Amino acid sequence: TQLLEQSPQFLSIQEGENLTVYCNSSSVFSSLQWYRQEPGEGPVLLVTVVTGGEVKKLKRLTFQFGDARKDSSLHITAAQPGDTGLYLCAGGGVLTGGGNKLTFGTGTQLKVEL
Amino acid sequence: ETGVTQSPTHLIKTRGQQVTLRCSSQSGHNTVSWYQQALGQGPQFIFQYYREEENGRGNFPPRFSGLQFPNYSSELNVNALELDDSALYLCASSQTVGGYQETQYFGPGTRLLVL
Repeated sequence: TQLLEQSPQFLSIQEGENLTVYCNSSSVFSSLQWYRQEPGEGPVLLVTVVTGGEVKKLKRLTFQFGDARKDSSLHITAAQPGDTGLYLCAGGGVLTGGGNKLTFGTGTQLKVEL
Repeated sequence: ETGVTQSPTHLIKTRGQQVTLRCSSQSGHNTVSWYQQALGQGPQFIFQYYREEENGRGNFPPRFSGLQFPNYSSELNVNALELDDSALYLCASSQTVGGYQETQYFGPGTRLLVL
């Protein structure tokens, strides 16, 4: 069974601070995605990384995929209250029928206060 | 282009009852996946439907079943409800072309409470 552990589980910071969320697994994934989920809504895709060592930037968010494709990190610079939400990493896996399923991490609940 | 929609938004049932949740996939998408998200946890894969056939299944008992219709909309049925079935049920749609499945887009979910 593929498992993805995220750390920290909870994070409460002040506006303007930087933070990093980690996503670790003992399994290799073909791709890894990061989502943000707000209360009462489904997860919204932020980024997909597919190549070991890949780094992607999305405004103040920087995503990195580990060289061995087993781990990933999300770094937020100068956090804002609008960044508040549940951050989820998800590894891509192939189904027996040929489709793809997502294995989600345990989640990191971020709260950014003024 | 409409996004993924789910109904109902909230539902309260009692143990032993049966429930049907519905999902309309995003326009042009032919693949639907269902996930269960318990409070404070990440979503867990239940199963996936492609062209009206189950394409793969997670670690869920047979009382969790599904359907996909010719218009690619889908239903999730849960029989003999248990307290632990209380969760947010998420539907995700995607387009599969030539055996390659593209990005999954999630609906807002159905919040199920079993008393």
